[in-house]
Parts: sequence; C-alpha cells; structure tokens
Amino acid sequence: GGIITQTPKFLIGQEGQKLTLKCQQNFNHDTMYWYRQDSGKGLRLIYYSITENDLQKGDLSEGYDASREKKSSFSLTVTSAQKNEMAVFLCASSPLTAYTEVFFGKGTRLTVV
Amino acid sequence: GQQVQQSPASLVLQEGENAELQCNFSSTATRLQWFYQHPGGRLVSLFYNPSGTKHTGRLTSTTVTNERRSSLHISSSQTTDSGTYFCAIDLTEGADRLTFGKGTQLIIQP
Repeated sequence: GGIITQTPKFLIGQEGQKLTLKCQQNFNHDTMYWYRQDSGKGLRLIYYSITENDLQKGDLSEGYDASREKKSSFSLTVTSAQKNEMAVFLCASSPLTAYTEVFFGKGTRLTVV
Repeated sequence: GQQVQQSPASLVLQEGENAELQCNFSSTATRLQWFYQHPGGRLVSLFYNPSGTKHTGRLTSTTVTNERRSSLHISSSQTTDSGTYFCAIDLTEGADRLTFGKGTQLIIQP
C-alpha cells in the first residue's frame, strides 16, 4: 500500500499573501490532483497532472498555480489569498489508465485572516 | 444542469434502520467511486464500482451502468455511520479526472 502526505495540515495566511501547499505520494501513480472543498460542499477540481511537468486546468484554476516537480510530488500555490477564505484542499493520485481507483490525502485546511 | 446528482441531500435515521443513497449521472462512467467523509475529516474511499454490485460489511454498492445510476446501501445503521457520502465519476469516458456530486449528509440518531 501507499500513502499521500499533504503539508501543512493547517495553514493560516494573510490577505494577498502567496501560499504554497505540498503533496507527496509513494504509490508511484502517474496522475495527481488538487481539489478544493468548501464547508458543507462537494469537491471541485483545481488542477491535475498526468505526468512530471504536465499541468491540466480543472474547473477552478483561476487564482491558483501548480507545479509537478517530479512524479511523486505536486504542489499548489494560492497566488493571492482572499480574506475570509476558508477551505480544505485535498490532494489525490491515481494510475494513469481509466478503470482505476483514486486515493486521497488528509487535506490542508486554509484560513485567511 | 448538474452532471452528478446525489439524493437525498440529507437523511436522518434512527440507529438500526437501513439507509439508501442514490447517485445519478449524465454520461457513461468508466470510473465510479463512493467516498465517506467524517465531519471535517479525511475522504475515505468506500467502493470503486463502475458496474455491478460490491459488498463490504454492512455496505453494498450497486451500479447499473446503462441506466447511469449507482446506489449505496447501509444496513443496520450505526451512529458511527454519520457523515457525508460522496459519489464521484469520470464524466468523459477514460478521462483522468473525477467529478463529485454534492454529497448526502447522513445523520444516525441513537
């Protein structure tokens, strides 16, 4: 089995600040994802990557940058944090082929003051 | 319209009752997963079930692909089953991404 590690678990930032969230997986999966979950709501895809150095925009990419530095890691940057923004950011990974399960990390909870 | 529809939005039951959660989707799915999320917690995969029926413990998932629907049945519910259940699907065949429904909030009262 493998594990997805997200750091930090909690992130408090100031309005306008650039904030970076990190994700590591040891499944050796090709595809990695960043989802955002607002309180009491479902998940929305921000970015995903099907291989090292690849980036694909999701439904919510505006205001974010992402970087797939190597196969095992995928980072997400909030380019300018918005005040009163509070959400959980979830990283996930899966093998490239269809018909396969997607695995999630424990999440990073972001609060902007 | 909404491409992954879950119903009901919320469900309140007494401990011991059975729960039935539904997921309807707008296109053929090659990936379909049911997830459970503790309040404010981690997303746990319950079933990867793009077609057919799967069982684990008190949980059963049934997906009828050509009818574009899936269900999650919880028998003899317990208070620890309380939380939010999500259905997620790849809406484009072979796509690399999952689209999530809005979830069903399940509350099991003692």
